[in-house]
Amino acid sequence: DAGVIQSPRHEVTEMGQEVTLRCKPISGHDYLFWYRQTMMRGLELLIYFNNNVPIDDSGMPEDRFSAKMPNASFSTLKIQPSEPRDSAVYFCASSARSGLYNEQFFGPGTRLTVL
Amino acid sequence: TQLLEQSPQFLSIQEGENLTVYCNSSSVFSSLQWYRQEPGEGPVLLVTVVTGGEVKKLKRLTFQFGDARKDSSLHITAAQPGDTGLYLCAGGFEDYKLSFGAGTTVTVRA
Repeated sequence: DAGVIQSPRHEVTEMGQEVTLRCKPISGHDYLFWYRQTMMRGLELLIYFNNNVPIDDSGMPEDRFSAKMPNASFSTLKIQPSEPRDSAVYFCASSARSGLYNEQFFGPGTRLTVL
Repeated sequence: TQLLEQSPQFLSIQEGENLTVYCNSSSVFSSLQWYRQEPGEGPVLLVTVVTGGEVKKLKRLTFQFGDARKDSSLHITAAQPGDTGLYLCAGGFEDYKLSFGAGTTVTVRA
């Protein structure tokens, strides 16, 4: 069974450009989480969805960030316009309500560099 | 401010030695998880503990959940170079969110 799939794996862009990160959760999982990881701040939860509905977006840093989940098998995280301080590794994770105790399965991450 | 404090931040030991990583909080969690992350990859779940005082063993790794469900420890016996990685603890809440610690970077030298 395929795990969480993220694309692209690496993204280099210039300040001011729009960036779109993509995630395909594990089939059957009804929770999807977007995280950002930096050396300074560690792993931070940005937003999470349950059954394609955003539940908590309090971790989204500012209006430049937006996330959507149009169906159970696809989610996007968009940054517009991007800034150098957005450089980080962005992870998508999924979990199942029927699973045990919030266990989350992470994708390989997208390393974003904003020049 | 993170809810979970991990210590030490960095740990470098020789192959065959033992090590312990600590995870502490003032909050009570419904569950406590440990993940290991290798460079260029996402965190991978090692174990979940849910009962105060619970001890789980995974080969050479021993995980303990504090009686009050606020703290946890990870002990590795006879560490091997393959144990090298970033170890993250995460506290679980009823709303399915996890709060992660900053992590402990473990390096096992051959």
